Amino acid sequence: GDSVTQMEGPVTLSEEAFLTINCTYTATGYPSLFWYVQYPGEGLQLLLKATKADDKGSNKGFEATYRKETTSFHLEKGSVQVSDSAVYFCALTLFTSGTYKYIFGTGTRLKVLA
Amino acid sequence: GAGVSQSPSNKVTEKGKDVELRCDPISGHTALYWYRQSLGQGLEFLIYFQGNSAPDKSGLPSDRFSAERTGGSVSTLTIQRTQQEDSAVYLCASSPFVSGANTEAFFGQGTRLTVV
Repeated sequence: GDSVTQMEGPVTLSEEAFLTINCTYTATGYPSLFWYVQYPGEGLQLLLKATKADDKGSNKGFEATYRKETTSFHLEKGSVQVSDSAVYFCALTLFTSGTYKYIFGTGTRLKVLA
Repeated sequence: GAGVSQSPSNKVTEKGKDVELRCDPISGHTALYWYRQSLGQGLEFLIYFQGNSAPDKSGLPSDRFSAERTGGSVSTLTIQRTQQEDSAVYLCASSPFVSGANTEAFFGQGTRLTVV
């Protein structure tokens, strides 16, 4: 079935380090791909998205490229800050048989140390 | 309001009692989703509404769980005869339904349910 797999956390980095959070997916159709972020005590909010192969989503210094050949959508940031500490969720959407599905990964907790 | 509103924000209930969780989506959003987030787990899909109908109920974990949506707006998730394993954060999200497009889901703050 359709699914999203992301790397387990927690990920602990020092400020200004390079971040990669891996995400791969399995889907029967042509999904759109998303990264959502959940800051402590807050709800989930969209970080970035990509709707077709080779698209790159970017926001707040984060980037992810939709790679159809490897079914991946890895999240990267060149220099993390303490304020980036949060839980990051990879997700896909599929519109199939009249139903709109959102499927989320299990989330990866990022902790950035000053 | 401007965002998705869920109530109550916290609910503590005794095992065996029924609970109702409410979600007010963003005005005009026709799609509404319920998810469950257990400690250390990801988001577990429960049910999806398009308007007042629920084309996908596949995620409801048991017949103790039910949900309805009225007027294409407010949704209520009801859990009957609660069990301790029902303890989790219940998240609601809404999105504008655009056929074939890929739209962002907007999440509420969630209801933290604790069954004691």
